[in-house]
Amino acid sequence: AQKVTQAQTEISVVEKEDVTLDCVYETRDTTYYLFWYKQPPSGELVFLIRRNSFDEQNEISGRYSWNFQKSTSSFNFTITASQVVDSAVYFCALSEAPGKSGGGADGLTFGKGTHLIIQP
Amino acid sequence: DTEVTQTPKHLVMGMTNKKSLKCEQHMGHRAMYWYKQKAKKPPELMFVYSYEKLSINESVPSRFSPECPNSSLLNLHLHALQPEDSALYLCASSQDRNRGTYGYTFGSGTRLTVV
Repeated sequence: AQKVTQAQTEISVVEKEDVTLDCVYETRDTTYYLFWYKQPPSGELVFLIRRNSFDEQNEISGRYSWNFQKSTSSFNFTITASQVVDSAVYFCALSEAPGKSGGGADGLTFGKGTHLIIQP
Repeated sequence: DTEVTQTPKHLVMGMTNKKSLKCEQHMGHRAMYWYKQKAKKPPELMFVYSYEKLSINESVPSRFSPECPNSSLLNLHLHALQPEDSALYLCASSQDRNRGTYGYTFGSGTRLTVV
């Protein structure tokens, strides 16, 4: 069975500090996808990044960066020079392959989320 | 159009009411999903439709009845709900995972309160 663990329930930092959100996953599949989503108080889930299991390249997008390490089954997310607008709940999620139904449709398994608070 | 649109945004219903949640996407995605999210919890998968056929039902009570009239629309019919069913209901869609742009797009959700 697949599982995603986000051990940090809540993180509070002062603006401009760097912060890393941890994500550890479990899966028996060799092909899978990992995602990070941001959920502000308004409720919508905002897609941040997708990574497939064959692509271990780290990625940087502006102040955001992701470190994918298959050896430790981790997919950590770092925000550099944090801003108040980064305050939200961040979810790491896993999608395995193949889907139960075929045709590539399978749901996401989410971690419990990390509530990030950026104080001014 | 890269959005998933959910209506209504808020819904208050009594335990004897019948109501429906609606979800629409025009991205050509052939998989659509319903998730339920309780406060301070992660989204939990309820149903998956693939090519307009129900492919996954995560043991959801029958008072929740999904429907996929066509490839762009997904409904969730609600009947005889309980107060503990109050939650944020999220709809999502995705392309086939064999596509290079595979990913899930979520709607902004319907906040349901059962009184």
